[in-house]
Amino acid sequence: AQSVAQPEDQVNVAEGNPLTVKCTYSVSGNPYLFWYVQYPNRGLQFLLKYITGDNLVKGSYGFEAEFNKSQTSFHLKKPSALVSDSALYFCAVSSDSGNTPLVFGKGTRLSVIA
Amino acid sequence: DAMVIQNPRYQVTQFGKPVTLSCSQTLNHNVMYWYQQKSSQAPKLLFHYYDKDFNNEADTPDNFQSRRPNTSFCFLDIRSPGLGDAAMYLCATSRDLSGRAYEQYFGPGTRLTVT
Repeated sequence: AQSVAQPEDQVNVAEGNPLTVKCTYSVSGNPYLFWYVQYPNRGLQFLLKYITGDNLVKGSYGFEAEFNKSQTSFHLKKPSALVSDSALYFCAVSSDSGNTPLVFGKGTRLSVIA
Repeated sequence: DAMVIQNPRYQVTQFGKPVTLSCSQTLNHNVMYWYQQKSSQAPKLLFHYYDKDFNNEADTPDNFQSRRPNTSFCFLDIRSPGLGDAAMYLCATSRDLSGRAYEQYFGPGTRLTVT
């Protein structure tokens, strides 16, 4: 069975500093990896995905994520955090092994402090 | 703009009184999903439609039903809401299944309160 781990419930970072939100996964087959962001009282918003190819994926709002097959990780990064980046971030995984659903991590709350 | 719309945004119902939540999409996507999300936890998939094919998750209570009368609309029916069903309900769509690498697009959600 596939699974996703987001080891940090909360990440605090000062505005202007780089941020990292961690994600590790376990799947059968080749992974399809996604990051979503959720602002208060809103639905989830797609940020970026890794399917194949270049390990560094660039997405919306200046976010990027690096796929590391040996460490089974897909950490979300941004070079310079904004206060408006404060939100709940979800990592999710499916795979090419059969008709697999999307499995979400438990989420990491990011707080960017001015 | 193409989008996923959920109505109402806030719904209050009484314990045991049936309630229907609605979702519509202008993306013309094949797949529509219903998720339940509690207290900033991960969304929990209830079921999905691939076109007209209904797929129920094994642990989705029988109290929850869904209808998809056409490509654009999907409904979530809760036959006898309990206090434990109070949650945010999220509708999502995707062009094809996540197992084929397609991302999902979410509506804003309906927050259900059960009194």
